Amino acid sequence: EPEVTQTPSHQVTQMGQEVILRCVPISNHLYFYWYRQILGQKVEFLVSFYNNEISEKSEIFDDQFSVERPDGSNFTLKIRSTKLEDSAMYFCASSERGRSTEAFFGQGTRLTVV
Amino acid sequence: AQSVAQPEDQVNVAEGNPLTVKCTYSVSGNPYLFWYVQYPNRGLQFLLKYITGDNLVKGSYGFEAEFNKSQTSFHLKKPSALVSDSALYFCAVRDEGTGANNLFFGTGTRLTVIP
Repeated sequence: EPEVTQTPSHQVTQMGQEVILRCVPISNHLYFYWYRQILGQKVEFLVSFYNNEISEKSEIFDDQFSVERPDGSNFTLKIRSTKLEDSAMYFCASSERGRSTEAFFGQGTRLTVV
Repeated sequence: AQSVAQPEDQVNVAEGNPLTVKCTYSVSGNPYLFWYVQYPNRGLQFLLKYITGDNLVKGSYGFEAEFNKSQTSFHLKKPSALVSDSALYFCAVRDEGTGANNLFFGTGTRLTVIP
């Protein structure tokens, strides 16, 4: 069964460093998303991406964040200068179409900022 | 603005008993409603969705949910709980009225099935 894959599974970084989280969405999906979850709490939307551009973003997704689809398969989230409060589980998701279709989530990348 | 409420942080049920995990929502347009389950240190797994049509939707692992428009609810149910159902359950909504694709999640309900 196709799945969303994320790498790495766990990343530790020093405050102020840049990190790139990587995702390979399901191949025929057109919509891509990043969400985060802090300490097993609420899942929060960060950004959605469609047709090679950001379609929606939340207030969390400030200038420190960026997304990119550098080739036909990868979808990346970059945090330019990490803060302690960026420590969270980051989930990539993809969906085949828009609003009526379910999103499939990857296993997540646990980011720890020290 | 859209919102999702899961009023119970924790639900405990004995194995073999029916279970209900509650969810209510608020949207400006028609809701697209979803349930996801999260096992420890894992991602979110899709269980079921309501888009339109029959108010009772059936999903994976024997779960079902009933859409109630007048009560703005979408409670998750299962007739007979298994110990393996113990996990964190999230209700989520997309607001058809906003045109947005992002899911808005509730705070989650931890289900514990007691052997």
